Amino acid sequence: QVQLQESGPGLVKPSETLSLTCTVSGYSITSGYYWGWIRQAPGKGLEWIGSVYHSGSPYYNPSLKSRVAMSVDTSKNQFSLELTSVTAADTAMYYCARDRGVLGIDFWGQGTLVPVSS
Amino acid sequence: QSALTQPPSASGSPGQSVTISCTGTSSDVGGYNYVSWYHQHPGKAPKIIIYEVNKRPSGVPNRFSGSKSGNTASLTVSGLRAEDEADYYCSSYSGSSNFHVFGTGTRVTVL
Repeated sequence: QVQLQESGPGLVKPSETLSLTCTVSGYSITSGYYWGWIRQAPGKGLEWIGSVYHSGSPYYNPSLKSRVAMSVDTSKNQFSLELTSVTAADTAMYYCARDRGVLGIDFWGQGTLVPVSS
Repeated sequence: QSALTQPPSASGSPGQSVTISCTGTSSDVGGYNYVSWYHQHPGKAPKIIIYEVNKRPSGVPNRFSGSKSGNTASLTVSGLRAEDEADYYCSSYSGSSNFHVFGTGTRVTVL
């Protein structure tokens, strides 16, 4: 069974960079599919942030593209998210997930809440 | 890219059916047969229940069904059960972003 677990700092200050890592178990990320990040602000809907293939080809939400970077570490079976110049509007639950592209997102991590506050 | 439009809420009694709409544009819902549906229980991660408009992943009950007409996709939950009370989100491939766009979400209440 594919399992994903997000990790990262519990709090980020405004203007700083939010960095999260997702560790995948039960499946090798080099076996295929994309690996993505989705966020959900408190009481709000889902927002796709971006997805990256194991070879490193990323796709980003156009509204966040200027501030987002994703990468893959195949040796650790992990992938990562960096979001720069954060503001309070970036406060959200951040989910990592296995992304089958047009076939949908089939496995999700439990999510990690990242507040942006000074 | 704009979020797909869903009604904020829907409800039905146990055993009844409820249908949720998801309206987009010809650049997403209308242009591709790549609509997915997710449900999310409070405090939990979303779970996929429909992909490619009307296909169910293994283990998803056939009470969940999907369809599409033009720029609007629909999810029908038949034989409502208490455990179906959740938030439901549609998603579509978007030619604008080359990937996903989510719907605004619908809270389903089982009366």
